[in-house]
Amino acid sequence: EVQLVESGGGLVQPGGSLRLSCAASGFTFSNYWMIWVRQAPGKGLEWVANIKKDGSETYYMDSVKGRFTISRDNAKNLLYVEINGLRVDDTAVYYCGRINYYYYMDVWGKGTTVTVSS
Amino acid sequence: QSVLTQPPSVSGAPGQRVTISCTGSSSNIGARYDVHWYQHLPGTAPKLLIYDTTNRPSGVPDRFSASKSGTSAFLAITGLQAEDEADYYCQSYDSGGFYVFGTGTKVTVL
Repeated sequence: EVQLVESGGGLVQPGGSLRLSCAASGFTFSNYWMIWVRQAPGKGLEWVANIKKDGSETYYMDSVKGRFTISRDNAKNLLYVEINGLRVDDTAVYYCGRINYYYYMDVWGKGTTVTVSS
Repeated sequence: QSVLTQPPSVSGAPGQRVTISCTGSSSNIGARYDVHWYQHLPGTAPKLLIYDTTNRPSGVPDRFSASKSGTSAFLAITGLQAEDEADYYCQSYDSGGFYVFGTGTKVTVL
């Protein structure tokens, strides 16, 4: 079964750091671009970052550049996002997704919740 | 980065037809990038409903259909069922080099 499972979320104080993980199974992870998407409370889905199959290219939304780092370990079938300098407006459910043909996400995880609060 | 605009909510009785619009701009939908649609229930993984503007993945009922015209796209649900009650998001790609999502539409089955 093709599956993505996120982990690593939690309650963090403003300015803190977290590393979110996404474990992939049921498909050849190294053949796919991957993506992180988030959903703030009461808001819609928002693209955060994406990464090429081999990790050689990464792209970020403007508001997270310099604070978020997306990476992957193809040997372990793991996708990561390292988040530094957390802000209250980073509070969201973070989803990882598998990108198909570069333009859409055909597999999603159930998400992990990040809450930034003092 | 910009977003695609959707109506906050639509509703219909069981068996009826509802349509959700998704309005973008000349840098995304109007730039001939395909539109994709997702169904999302809170606390669950979003589900791909339509890809490449009009195509349904295996397992998606043919009650769901979609189209595109100019800078807008449309998702139609015919024969509305109680299980269709969810949030729906459109998504495209922007020539600025980023993925763009719609604001989301809550479908209520009366």
